[in-house]
Amino acid sequence: EAQVTQNPRYLITVTGKKLTVTCSQNMNHEYMSWYRQDPGLGLRQIYYSMNVEVTDKGDVPEGYKVSRKEKRNFPLILESPSPNQTSLYFCASSFGQGLTQYFGPGTRLLVL
Amino acid sequence: KNEVEQSPQNLTAQEGEFITINCSYSVGISALHWLQQHPGGGIVSLFMLSSGKKKHGRLIATINIQEKHSSLHITASHPRDSAVYICAVDMEYGNKLVFGAGTILRVKS
Repeated sequence: EAQVTQNPRYLITVTGKKLTVTCSQNMNHEYMSWYRQDPGLGLRQIYYSMNVEVTDKGDVPEGYKVSRKEKRNFPLILESPSPNQTSLYFCASSFGQGLTQYFGPGTRLLVL
Repeated sequence: KNEVEQSPQNLTAQEGEFITINCSYSVGISALHWLQQHPGGGIVSLFMLSSGKKKHGRLIATINIQEKHSSLHITASHPRDSAVYICAVDMEYGNKLVFGAGTILRVKS
């Protein structure tokens, strides 16, 4: 089944404790992206990747890192999480920028 | 001013009604997307448009590039259509996706 998976789906952590949210797709998509969704602010793009080893900042990249060492995986790293990173995070992928995006199920993160 | 504006913010309809959700944008785009988010949180892509009109079942999406405007229509609405509908645009330059605030639709039986 074609899908985008994210892990974990739910995470409660404390300020400063490094964490990684994984994202994997099995559709051989070149474009992958991370978004966060907050009440009143909607969805905002954090980082995106056009292909392996090619990443770039979205609108809200501060406090996040990404890597794209393999085509199928695009992990989101929070080196030192803070409470303002409490949010619902979505990973998405597509064959290219401007094409139909397939979203993962979302990861709910609470930083205490 | 947001680059992508949606209207209305909230919409309540009776089952069977024809529904229109509007999206206006102020930037050059390469494509426009309509997304659906159900209460459980998952996001599904409904349409990707760069011109004209697309139809899938009871859903119709149109775009007018000159007027920088798109509409999503739902014919014969049903309670299962209740969801948040989000417009998003792929920027013409910069490889970024920018989202509207979403329209919360509730269809009553």
